[in-house]
Amino acid sequence: KAGVTQTPRYLIKTRGQQVTLSCSPISGHRSVSWYQQTPGQGLQFLFEYFSETQRNKGNFPGRFSGRQFSNSRSEMNVSTLELGDSALYLCASSLMPRRTGELFFGEGSRLTVL
Amino acid sequence: AQSVTQLDSQVPVFEEAPVELRCNYSSSVSVYLFWYVQYPNQGLQLLLKYLSGSTLVKGINGFEAEFNKSQTSFHLRKPSVHISDTAEYFCAVSNEETSGSRLTFGEGTQLTVNP
Repeated sequence: KAGVTQTPRYLIKTRGQQVTLSCSPISGHRSVSWYQQTPGQGLQFLFEYFSETQRNKGNFPGRFSGRQFSNSRSEMNVSTLELGDSALYLCASSLMPRRTGELFFGEGSRLTVL
Repeated sequence: AQSVTQLDSQVPVFEEAPVELRCNYSSSVSVYLFWYVQYPNQGLQLLLKYLSGSTLVKGINGFEAEFNKSQTSFHLRKPSVHISDTAEYFCAVSNEETSGSRLTFGEGTQLTVNP
């Protein structure tokens, strides 16, 4: 059974540009969450999607957005990139959005903003 | 609101020695506690979780953790570590008021096992 797949794995952008990251969850998983991981702030929750609807949103500016498609695949977008957006962006999937459930993480997309 | 504090940012140990990685949490309602491990250049993998019941939880790779409500702690232990246990370990919490599967993570503890 394939795991969570994130693309691209690495990318470099310049300030002011925008970026789109993609996540394909484990087959059958319908909930997708996104986390930002940085050395200074650690792992921070961005948002969660279930059945193409945003269920939760973390404390990030509106430049960060996402969506989920009918096949449960998800994308997140960051517009007007800032240097501080450099991070590892992790996607996690689960069968359902449950507070007691296990999250299955992808290997992440490492974004560098120059 | 809830929070997690991992008391040690780095823990160096020798191979075959025991290890304890400390985690304290804060929550006004009942909690669910998790330990995840992240190997270099990989995503996170669940080691174990406490939902209810027995306070001693056993996980994968020989790890176990004990939930202590009075001390609001959930420390991770392994009696004998291997070189392959070198990784970053994250304690995480949700609670009965959490919406969806959102987790609050601690800052992480880098475990380095030396030969």
